[in-house]
Formats: sequence, structure tokens, C-alpha cells
Amino acid sequence: DTAVSQTPKYLVTQMGNDKSIKCEQNLGHDTMYWYKQDSKKFLKIMFSYNNKELIINETVPNRFSPKSPDKAHLNLHINSLELGDSAVYFCASSRETGGNTEAFFGQGTRLTVV
Amino acid sequence: DQQVKQNSPSLSVQEGRISILNCDYTNSMFDYFLWYKKYPAEGPTFLISISSIKDKNEDGRFTVFLNKSAKHLSLHIVPSQPGDSAVYFCAASANNFNKFYFGSGTKLNVKP
Repeated sequence: DTAVSQTPKYLVTQMGNDKSIKCEQNLGHDTMYWYKQDSKKFLKIMFSYNNKELIINETVPNRFSPKSPDKAHLNLHINSLELGDSAVYFCASSRETGGNTEAFFGQGTRLTVV
Repeated sequence: DQQVKQNSPSLSVQEGRISILNCDYTNSMFDYFLWYKKYPAEGPTFLISISSIKDKNEDGRFTVFLNKSAKHLSLHIVPSQPGDSAVYFCAASANNFNKFYFGSGTKLNVKP
């Protein structure tokens, strides 16, 4: 039983399209995140949600909009996709925000914009 | 500006020997440090962590050492096994940060 699952695993789409990545966690965690792994392999925080409330928006373009219908789900919508959006996106969750807790990651979604 | 740095992109070690992966950080507010292991096409999986009140934490073959004065931590794997071959990410956080800062990873190759 996957703890943090995100779909799809691979996504190839054309520039200008709108796409969504879904994420669900069954760990009962209060906090969920979206991370982007860029071409230099750094994992950079995009958004952090605690109990469906946005707590971090890390200077991400407005074309990216997270949606948390409940604390077990955090979906990522991307409008007007650009070539530079190509990356691997990871969803994660943790028991609480920051502090002495670890994050559990999904398998990643490799987004390729052509 | 990267606050967590892993300066060795790759490391190759013989099976049975010790693997030492290093990580440096710049923010003195960090008080919790983690190591993650990542296989290709999978998400990072939590390996081991250490709080800033300790200088060592051990879990089986894995030991993490923290040197706060040097802002440096290391992960020791002994003995190394071929199944340990993966990318290892160092991460750091603090109570009021609401996020984890990651290094760029070190790719470990354990040769049989």
C-alpha cells in the first residue's frame, strides 16, 4: 500500500497546455509539499500545505496553482506550460511542519514539455 | 543560494568497505538533519536523521555524524553493499521553517 502516491508518473505535453498532477497520502499526515527537482538535481520546495492551508509559496510562477481539497490530497495544476517547466515533481507529506519530522515522498512525476 | 551542499556528485566504493558521504550547511538555525536514499525513477526514501542536540545517531549499518561547529554532517555506511548503490540526499530543517532544504545528492556506486 503506497503511502504517498502521485499520478501520472510520466507526462509529456506541448507548450501552452494546462496539466494537473495528483497526489494522495494515506499516512494521516497534516502537512503536504510539492518539490521540484531541477536539471542540477536539487530538490527545491514549491509549496507547503498544513491542514489544507497554504503555508509556503516559494516564489513559484502564478501558472502553478496547488489545490488541497482535504488534508490527504494536494494536487498541482500548471497552466500555459513552458519548456522550462520540464522537471521531476515530487509530492511529499510529513506529520507536522518542519522540526523533528521526516517527509515521505511519492515516486515523482517526470514532466516533459515539448 | 544553496543552504545545504553536497560537494561530491559521486562516490565509488568496494563492497564490504566503508562509504562516507558528506554534507555541509550554512544556516545555523537548522536543528534537524536527514539523509534520504533515492533509486532511479523512485522518490527519495527516508534513511536516518539526527537532531542538533546529538552528534551521532546509529541505525544498523548507517551512522550519521553531526559537527555543529563545522556545520558539517556525514553518513557512514559500513559494510557497504551493492544494494546501497543509489543517490543520497542530505536535508535540513528547523521547527519554524515549514520545509526541508536539500542538497544536490551524491551518487554512490558500490562495486561487487
